Amino acid sequence: AQTVTQSQPEMSVQEAETVTLSCTYDTSESDYYLFWYKQPPSRQMILVIRQEAYKQQNATENRFSVNFQKAAKSFSLKISDSQLGDAAMYFCAYRRVSNTGKLIFGQGTTLQVKP
Amino acid sequence: NAGVTQTPKFQVLKTGQSMTLQCAQDMNHEYMSWYRQDPGMGLRLIHYSVGAGITDQGEVPNGYNVSRSTTEDFPLRLLSAAPSQTSVYFCASRIAGTTDTQYFGPGTRLTVL
Repeated sequence: AQTVTQSQPEMSVQEAETVTLSCTYDTSESDYYLFWYKQPPSRQMILVIRQEAYKQQNATENRFSVNFQKAAKSFSLKISDSQLGDAAMYFCAYRRVSNTGKLIFGQGTTLQVKP
Repeated sequence: NAGVTQTPKFQVLKTGQSMTLQCAQDMNHEYMSWYRQDPGMGLRLIHYSVGAGITDQGEVPNGYNVSRSTTEDFPLRLLSAAPSQTSVYFCASRIAGTTDTQYFGPGTRLTVL
């Protein structure tokens, strides 16, 4: 069975600085998708970034980028120029390539941004 | 488009009561699913559906029933609520292709006393 592990329950960063959130996963599949979701206090789940496993190039969305290490089964999220609005819980998630593919989530990392 | 909507936003039940959490989407998505979120455990899949008339169990299905009579609606039924079902419940949907992003509803906070 696939599993996703986020080993950092809490992280903090100074405003305008860079922070990296870690995620590891376990799967025997060769093709799959990885996601980072943001959950602010409003509770809404917001997709931050997505990575297809067959792509070697790391995904980037504005200030958000990932470091995807397929062999190591590692998928970290880097947030550059952190802003107060980035404070939230962040979830790493995995989904295999299938019509019925289900999202499997990590435990989450709470990010605090200090002014 | 309203996206994925869930009702109610909050609910308090007594042990043994039954209720239905409603979920609807107006994006014509084939795939819909229910998750529960508990502290320190992330989101866990309860049930999912790949189209009207087709449902299947996820990781934590016990105590919950679902049905999918239309593409738009995917209600989650608690048959006899237990305190262990106190949680935040999310409904999500996506196109049943392999690449599309999953969209989440705003969640329902359920407390069982």
